[in-house]
Amino acid sequence: AQKITQTQPGMFVQEKEAATLDCTYDTSDQSYGLFWYKQPSSGEMIFLIYQGSYDEQNATEGRYSLNFQKARKSANLVISASQLGDSAMYFCAMRERGDYKLSFGAGTTVTVRA
Amino acid sequence: GAVVSQHPSWVICKSGTSVKIECRSLDFQATTMFWYRQFPKQSLMLMATSNEGSKATYEQGVEKDKFLINHASLTLSTLTVTSAHPEDSSFYICSVQRQGNIQYFGAGTRLSVL
Repeated sequence: AQKITQTQPGMFVQEKEAATLDCTYDTSDQSYGLFWYKQPSSGEMIFLIYQGSYDEQNATEGRYSLNFQKARKSANLVISASQLGDSAMYFCAMRERGDYKLSFGAGTTVTVRA
Repeated sequence: GAVVSQHPSWVICKSGTSVKIECRSLDFQATTMFWYRQFPKQSLMLMATSNEGSKATYEQGVEKDKFLINHASLTLSTLTVTSAHPEDSSFYICSVQRQGNIQYFGAGTRLSVL
């Protein structure tokens, strides 16, 4: 079964507006971690933000915030005030308890329009 | 600054030759490194977990004799694609698990086998 589901293959966002990238996950563990990575066309994977399953507050890192809804098993990424440089592929990932491995979603390609 | 260095960033080789890709942890000792493979516009697929001083753990379906992994020191893991063929052409990327929960990635290696 798919552990991470990203339902948006691609999206267009207007510059300076907010973008919400969907991510749902499937796990029976109580302890797990959720991650978002950005992959520009150059190929490098850039870590953006992390949310632990026991964290009560939604994680924020600069213009990135993670909307964590545990009961719905949802971990959407919000990019505020989008910039042209935000155009990239974004991956949601999960690490379950006792496992170093990351399970990645299929990714969402974000294109920011001027 | 970069946490992980991967070299080379791009390699073209003839069919039947072997190619070695290096992954270095720059600022800490990494007992565990990961190797992923990514096809265009697809997600990352974990190939193997590289363990310092012991054998790598390969994911199901990954040929151990084809993709040789050596983690000889706490800062260096290498992936050797042996007897490369055109179907091995892909983007290979490594990551390092730091203290805490975050995996940091190298810039990746684009392999083209002619």
